[in-house]
Amino acid sequence: GENVEQHPSTLSVQEGDSAVIKCTYSDSASNYFPWYKQELGKGPQLIIDIRSNVGEKKDQRIAVTLNKTAKHFSLHITETQPEDSAVYFCAAIPSTSGTYKYIFGTGTRLKVLA
Amino acid sequence: NAGVTQTPKFQVLKTGQSMTLQCAQDMNHNSMYWYRQDPGMGLRLIYYSASEGTTDKGEVPNGYNVSRLNKREFSLRLESAAPSQTSVYFCASSGRNPSYNSPLHFGNGTRLTVT
Repeated sequence: GENVEQHPSTLSVQEGDSAVIKCTYSDSASNYFPWYKQELGKGPQLIIDIRSNVGEKKDQRIAVTLNKTAKHFSLHITETQPEDSAVYFCAAIPSTSGTYKYIFGTGTRLKVLA
Repeated sequence: NAGVTQTPKFQVLKTGQSMTLQCAQDMNHNSMYWYRQDPGMGLRLIYYSASEGTTDKGEVPNGYNVSRLNKREFSLRLESAAPSQTSVYFCASSGRNPSYNSPLHFGNGTRLTVT
């Protein structure tokens, strides 16, 4: 069935360094790829998303890249700060299935070391 | 603007007890969802409501029931709680009809422990 694999499960970086989280999806019909950040004790919050007609999208220190041929997409955080420490989830949604068909990755716990 | 509000934040139940988790959104969203989050499993969809008056099963519906009370409110009921239902439960909403992909807006969760 449809699946999203996310790596790594944990990631530690020094403050100021970059962090990269990768996801691979199985359904080639997927066309919407959001990323969520979850802080301790809170619900996931959307931080950036990308649609299949775009290869890259940036928002300040955050960027997402999409490779439809290889069926993978990545989150890039530059100049990391302690407040970036959180769990990050990727998701993929097949174009024909709607929002209720979000398939989430299993999450990456990012620690930014001061 | 509160967004998505869930109550209670924490709950401990004994096996066999029942309870209802409440969720309300003030964003005038059409669609609402219930997810559970377990370590290493990501987020799994329990039930969703595409619009007021409709509900459908998600990936893991067994042991749960839902009610879309009105456009704002979507509740999740455990009729006879089991230890396997120990989890963090998240309610979410999205603005458009589910046939159009749109971002999910999550509440802050209910942490449920069943002993």
